Amino acid sequence: DAKTTQPPSMDCAEGRAANLPCNHSTISGNEYVYWYRQIHSQGPQYIIHGLKNNETNEMASLIITEDRKSSTLILPHATLRDTAVYYCIVRVDSGGGADGLTFGKGTHLIIQP
Amino acid sequence: DTGVSQNPRHKITKRGQNVTFRCDPISEHNRLYWYRQTLGQGPEFLTYFQNEAQLEKSRLLSDRFSAERPKGSFSTLEIQRTEQGDSAMYLCASNAGRGGELFFGEGSRLTVL
Repeated sequence: DAKTTQPPSMDCAEGRAANLPCNHSTISGNEYVYWYRQIHSQGPQYIIHGLKNNETNEMASLIITEDRKSSTLILPHATLRDTAVYYCIVRVDSGGGADGLTFGKGTHLIIQP
Repeated sequence: DTGVSQNPRHKITKRGQNVTFRCDPISEHNRLYWYRQTLGQGPEFLTYFQNEAQLEKSRLLSDRFSAERPKGSFSTLEIQRTEQGDSAMYLCASNAGRGGELFFGEGSRLTVL
């Protein structure tokens, strides 16, 4: 799986949009971009994933650049409960190599009141 | 609660003892994954099962680590002759196919004295 690069930490004011960047310049054509978050002392939680197109669900939006070398996770109206470590992961979803996700260190997002 | 369940949540043991963790996945999920997470790091993939078959075990940390899923339902992770470096959170996850949307449990925290 391709490697990802994320800033180690970010701050965001409560109620504002939190934009978390991720670089994955070596991504392959069949690799998806996944985002997870981990609130302190809990297991990771799936947020969203995409291949080429932008995606939106009830939690967040995922914007993937046209060349697919980077992406941004957007939390539209951040709350204090969004304080967590956010992981960007790229992964092949098909074939025999579809094993576990490879987590990096992620971005520690701190929502400020 | 129909999520992934892990037991025990906390385990304190003395160096050299054996420990076993249990994971009960979401009932219809055929894939089950084990991860280890140390302080300040992202989860580290250890092994996974599809039904009762263990499809990847080369990333188990040493031959002291073993995992089973005898009937394709719950799984156990055993660490023999524990060492202080084994102190970590052990996470279990499950999903229903080859996609990367994994459902994680709350983890089992091991402290080796």
